[in-house]
Amino acid sequence: AQKVTQAQTEISVVEKEDVTLDCVYETRDTTYYLFWYKQPPSGELVFLIRRNSFDEQNEISGRYSWNFQKSTSSFNFTITASQVVDSAVYFCALKSGADSWGKFQFGAGTQVVVTP
Amino acid sequence: NAGVMQNPRHLVRRRGQEARLRCSPMKGHSHVYWYRQLPEEGLKFMVYLQKENIIDESGMPKERFSAEFPKEGPSILRIQQVVRGDSAAYFCASSPRTGGPDEQYFGPGTRLTVT
Repeated sequence: AQKVTQAQTEISVVEKEDVTLDCVYETRDTTYYLFWYKQPPSGELVFLIRRNSFDEQNEISGRYSWNFQKSTSSFNFTITASQVVDSAVYFCALKSGADSWGKFQFGAGTQVVVTP
Repeated sequence: NAGVMQNPRHLVRRRGQEARLRCSPMKGHSHVYWYRQLPEEGLKFMVYLQKENIIDESGMPKERFSAEFPKEGPSILRIQQVVRGDSAAYFCASSPRTGGPDEQYFGPGTRLTVT
């Protein structure tokens, strides 16, 4: 079964603090893709990153970084020096052939609240 | 290049009425997906369509819900005889092809409220 678990429902931080969002996934496929999306208060979904199962290299994009570890089936997301504009719900998602290549399996999301 | 368009953005229906949600994919995209987001929950897959074909409807409720993506025009998600539990945000996404690394581009969503 395909499953994505985001155990943290809400994280509150003060501006400039770092925040790490956990994502644990389950799949029986050896080829799969992991994604993070951001949903700001306005409601739209914004694509942040895609990772394939064969590339465990960590990635950094500005204040965002991602840590992919197949050994623990985790794809964690860190926001460094958080800003108020980072306040949003963040979703981790999985796509694999075992569950129809078409659809995403989303986690429940983590609400990040950044206060000044 | 316009993104995925959904209309209406907000829709209010009384119990028992029909709701029709429209989605125009990005130009050049022939794959459309519908997801439902209940309050304070993640997105749940409903249906995946290509032009004139339903590829995967494993997430669609068995009754009252239907979807189509005709050769011409937008994809339509239709909910007949709506009930209060249908109140949710409905997101449409599109991609140029299926499989592999393609991310899906999401529309702004339609917020359905059933009174």
